Amino acid sequence: RKEVEQDPGPFNVPEGATVAFNCTYSNSASQSFFWYRQDCRKEPKLLMSVYSSGNEDGRFTAQLNRASQYISLLIRDSKLSDSATYLCVVNIGDMRFGAGTRLTVKP
Amino acid sequence: DVKVTQSSRYLVKRTGEKVFLECVQDMDHENMFWYRQDPGLGLRLIYFSYDVKMKEKGDIPEGYSVSREKKERFSLILESASTNQTSMYLCASSPPGPPYEQYFGPGTRLTVT
Repeated sequence: RKEVEQDPGPFNVPEGATVAFNCTYSNSASQSFFWYRQDCRKEPKLLMSVYSSGNEDGRFTAQLNRASQYISLLIRDSKLSDSATYLCVVNIGDMRFGAGTRLTVKP
Repeated sequence: DVKVTQSSRYLVKRTGEKVFLECVQDMDHENMFWYRQDPGLGLRLIYFSYDVKMKEKGDIPEGYSVSREKKERFSLILESASTNQTSMYLCASSPPGPPYEQYFGPGTRLTVT
């Protein structure tokens, strides 16, 4: 079983849609959690950290469920510029990356 | 803003060549990392370093070595390049404490022919 698993997608959604990604992790000792965004042929960039209490940054909401060992990312009112691959990342002493979920937002 | 730079964006090398990939960060970060990224596999850790002259093997160190002579610079060396080392190589740095987020360089797309 992979340490961090994500649905690879692709998710194709119209502008304005709400889309949710889930990610599961296998190591219950995981310490911290992140969502990164990676545009085509670019490096990953931190989108947001994920806290136990859940956190929101504008149209983006991240949730952590330690009991079930999953993390989610919700994007509301999708924009064309949200098209990218979203990487789920778990820190278990070093960072473990999911393979990413590809999102395409269409006009 | 954190800036991580890598010596080349694209590189083409022949099988058997020795290849050097350089990474420099300007934020005085203690931690530096080398990953490779392949479709469907995500990022895999090759080597990392928590201090000057210090290095630790990651998940896939075979065929690679590293050097960290200065805090800001972390080099990845392919001793004898092979075609299965064709990949995107990403360098990252992070400060030592939580929340541990890493900052990436733009990547080097290496092709070994």
